[in-house]
Amino acid sequence: GAVVSQHPSRVICKSGTSVKIECRSLDFQATTMFWYRQFPKQSLMLMATSNEGSKATYEQGVEKDKFLINHASLTLSTLTVTSAHPEDSSFYICSARGTVSYEQYFGPGTRLTVT
Amino acid sequence: KQEVTQIPAALSVPEGENLVLNCSFTDSAIYNLQWFRQDPGKGLTSLLLIQSSQREQTSGRLNASLDKSSGRSTLYIAASQPGDSATYLCAVQDSWGKLQFGAGTQVVVTP
Repeated sequence: GAVVSQHPSRVICKSGTSVKIECRSLDFQATTMFWYRQFPKQSLMLMATSNEGSKATYEQGVEKDKFLINHASLTLSTLTVTSAHPEDSSFYICSARGTVSYEQYFGPGTRLTVT
Repeated sequence: KQEVTQIPAALSVPEGENLVLNCSFTDSAIYNLQWFRQDPGKGLTSLLLIQSSQREQTSGRLNASLDKSSGRSTLYIAASQPGDSATYLCAVQDSWGKLQFGAGTQVVVTP
């Protein structure tokens, strides 16, 4: 149980375009989802916390207008990277937390490359 | 602000040896601590979760200890195998549910 999927797994886009990444909890309801970014050889950095039906809470230094997060249902959260630039190229990972415990379940990640 | 440090950053051992991975954190007010495994280009696999009230957790060849007062956790992997080669991350969770990750220890087990 507790499976989280992400789509797409890899995406290449041109500078200036927008990219949407989906995060789904497949077998449980996720009241809270988290979005992380991981640069090569570095650890995961929390970008934002997303609660179903409310606005996301962004970590310091993360531009909310650039990284749009929508958590419209208990099984789906989306991250849209707007006007992407090469420096946005990274590995984006989501996690989901259910209603019972604090444990987070992680998706397989999305590799974004902006050319 | 919570800071999580993992030592060593990289480790290479021959097959069969035991692995000892260290994690330290600066703020002892944690809700729990988790150890994860990450293979190259992949997501995270949860290995062990230790609640703040617990001292250790075991799963197969893995054992993790937690000393909250001193801000330390250690992950032991017994009788290492080449398939254990990966990056191991520790993360502490606060009462708000947020995870703070260490930079990881990259492990290579040679046959």
